[in-house]
Amino acid sequence: LAKTTQPISMDSYEGQEVNITCSHNNIATNDYITWYQQFPSQGPRFIIQGYKTKVTNEVASLFIPADRKSSTLSLPRVSLSDTAVYYCLVAPPTDSWGKLQFGAGTQVVVTP
Amino acid sequence: GAVVSQHPSRVICKSGTSVKIECRSLDFQATTMFWYRQFPKQSLMLMATSNEGSKATYEQGVEKDKFLINHASLTLSTLTVTSAHPEDSSFYICSARELGRLAGLTQYFGPGTRLLVL
Repeated sequence: LAKTTQPISMDSYEGQEVNITCSHNNIATNDYITWYQQFPSQGPRFIIQGYKTKVTNEVASLFIPADRKSSTLSLPRVSLSDTAVYYCLVAPPTDSWGKLQFGAGTQVVVTP
Repeated sequence: GAVVSQHPSRVICKSGTSVKIECRSLDFQATTMFWYRQFPKQSLMLMATSNEGSKATYEQGVEKDKFLINHASLTLSTLTVTSAHPEDSSFYICSARELGRLAGLTQYFGPGTRLLVL
């Protein structure tokens, strides 16, 4: 599984856009990029997933450059409730896998 | 969306006793479930992969005789911490992959179980 590197922490104010960049230099051709959000004492929650270019849903956007060696999760107009740890994961979709290896994640703290 | 539940949400037990944690997929069938452990201020560490009807696959360094995993049906996997000790105190989280969905794509996580061994 490709190793990922993210900033340890990021601080933001309410209403700002937060962009978290994840490096995955050894991403394989068939790997997908997935982001999860975790609040204290809760299980991770799926945010968004993509393979290339840009993906957007009601929660976030995911930007993936052509070389796919990095990706950026964009959280628009964050609120206090967006304070959480965000994990970037890279894994292939083949049935023989399914294991996810979590890195350290990025602690995002949103203040008023 | 798909929901995964865990029971109990928290448990306190005495050292030397065994504790069973259940993981259920409520509205979908899961061929594969995963068990993670998370210590305070740390990331999730994969412990084992549980496949319905077969033996679990444990990650390196995880004692299979201490952490017994049973995946008896497509909606239930259990993790039993045998002869628990204080160092086993942690947050245990399960996840499930929906039958027919490609692995590595969306997994659904349970809410976690807080275990405290006294």
